[in-house]
Amino acid sequence: GESVGLHLPTLSVQEGDNSIINCAYSNSASDYFIWYKQESGKGPQFIIDIRSNMDKRQGQRVTVLLNKTVKHLSLQIAATQPGDSAVYFCAEWGFSGNTPLVFGKGTRLSVIA
Amino acid sequence: DGGITQSPKYLFRKEGQNVTLSCEQNLNHDAMYWYRQDPGQGLRLIYYSQIVNDFQKGDIAEGYSVSREKKESFPLTVTSAQKNPTAFYLCASQIGTGKGYGYTFGSGTRLTVV
Repeated sequence: GESVGLHLPTLSVQEGDNSIINCAYSNSASDYFIWYKQESGKGPQFIIDIRSNMDKRQGQRVTVLLNKTVKHLSLQIAATQPGDSAVYFCAEWGFSGNTPLVFGKGTRLSVIA
Repeated sequence: DGGITQSPKYLFRKEGQNVTLSCEQNLNHDAMYWYRQDPGQGLRLIYYSQIVNDFQKGDIAEGYSVSREKKESFPLTVTSAQKNPTAFYLCASQIGTGKGYGYTFGSGTRLTVV
C-alpha cells in the first residue's frame, strides 16, 4: 500500500498569493523525495527534489520543506499564477535497493484570477 | 529532440479484447515504468523494467503484461482479464536505476472500454 499521502485533495488560491501543498509520509527510512506537477491530460513533470540530509531546498518560485521529525514535506509556490493550476504529487524513495518511486494521491491546485 | 512517446493518445476497447499501449523513448534510459492513474487514486505501478529482457510486477500487475525486447520500447498489453481497464496510463523512463534519478513521463494514453 501507499505510504505517501496528502492532507488536502484540493486547494484554491488567489492569483498572486502563495500556495502551500502538504504531503505526509509514513516510512522513516525514506530519504529522497520529489514533487511533480501534472497538467490536465498530460504526464507529470519534475518540479523539485530534496534529500533527507536537507531541511529546505529552493527553486524558481518553489520551495520544498522537509520535516523528518513528523515525516512531513511541503511545496510552497510563491506568487501563484494561473499556469500553476495543476495536480501536484509528492513521491518518495527509500524503501530499499532499486524499488520504484511511490506516489501520493495528489492535490489539485486551482488558481483564482 | 529526445523524449518519451506514448501512443495512441486515446484508445477504445471492446470488452473481452486485448489491447497494447505503446511506449518508446530515445533518451537511452535504462529503466522504464508503467503507471495507471484513476481519479483520486494517484499513480499506481503496474510493471517496471530496469534492463532489457527483464521486468518486475508492480502493485497492480494482474490483467496486464509487458515485454522489454529493446531498450527503447516497453509496450503494455491490457488483457481481457483486467476487470476495470478504463483509466489513464502513463509510461516513464529513468536514466539509471534506483534513487537519485528522476522519472521522465510520457503524455499518457487514455483507455476506455466500450
